[in-house]
Amino acid sequence: QKEVEQNSGPLSVPEGAIASLNCTYSDRGSQSFFWYRQYSGKSPELIMFIYSNGDKEDGRFTAQLNKASQYVSLLIRDSQPSDSATYLCAVTDSSYKLIFGSGTRLLVRP
Amino acid sequence: EAGVTQFPSHSVIEKGQTVTLRCDPISGHDNLYWYRRVMGKEIKFLLHFVKESKQDESGMPNNRFLAERTGGTYSTLKVQPAELEDSGVYFCASSQEEGYGYTFGSGTRLTVV
Repeated sequence: QKEVEQNSGPLSVPEGAIASLNCTYSDRGSQSFFWYRQYSGKSPELIMFIYSNGDKEDGRFTAQLNKASQYVSLLIRDSQPSDSATYLCAVTDSSYKLIFGSGTRLLVRP
Repeated sequence: EAGVTQFPSHSVIEKGQTVTLRCDPISGHDNLYWYRRVMGKEIKFLLHFVKESKQDESGMPNNRFLAERTGGTYSTLKVQPAELEDSGVYFCASSQEEGYGYTFGSGTRLTVV
């Protein structure tokens, strides 16, 4: 079983819709959770982080964390074609290094 | 503030040759990390420096890989001798504190032929 699991996609949504990206993790001791966006050939860019159960909102992005279910998600409201990218979920282990999922490719159709 | 800088951006070398990758972290960031993504796989941790000291090198695949961080500033990652399976994108990242999101460099795409 992978430590961080994501559906590889592609997840295709129309422009203006809500895109919902999901991630599960295996280590119950994980404390910090991150969402990175990566455009093709570019570096991962941090867009959200969350440490506590519940929701965290930043502009069009909302991160949701449920530690009991070992589940973290990212919602993108009013999706734009420029949001088309691969979204990487990452969690920290006990030594604070990041464990990445393989990423979900999001495609926003104009 | 300048970001994390890596060079070269691309490197193509023959099997058996040596390659050195360089990373300049954000100024003032004590924590420097190396990660690698090989084709079709997740980004994987290689090692972590705190200033000039190796904090964790548990992800280094074997002794063909040598990382250094001179004076706690820039870091180099040398692969000697390179093998085909070393091909991938090598990312460097830095952070002020552990446990927080890092800033990644644009990566070095290494191709071993």
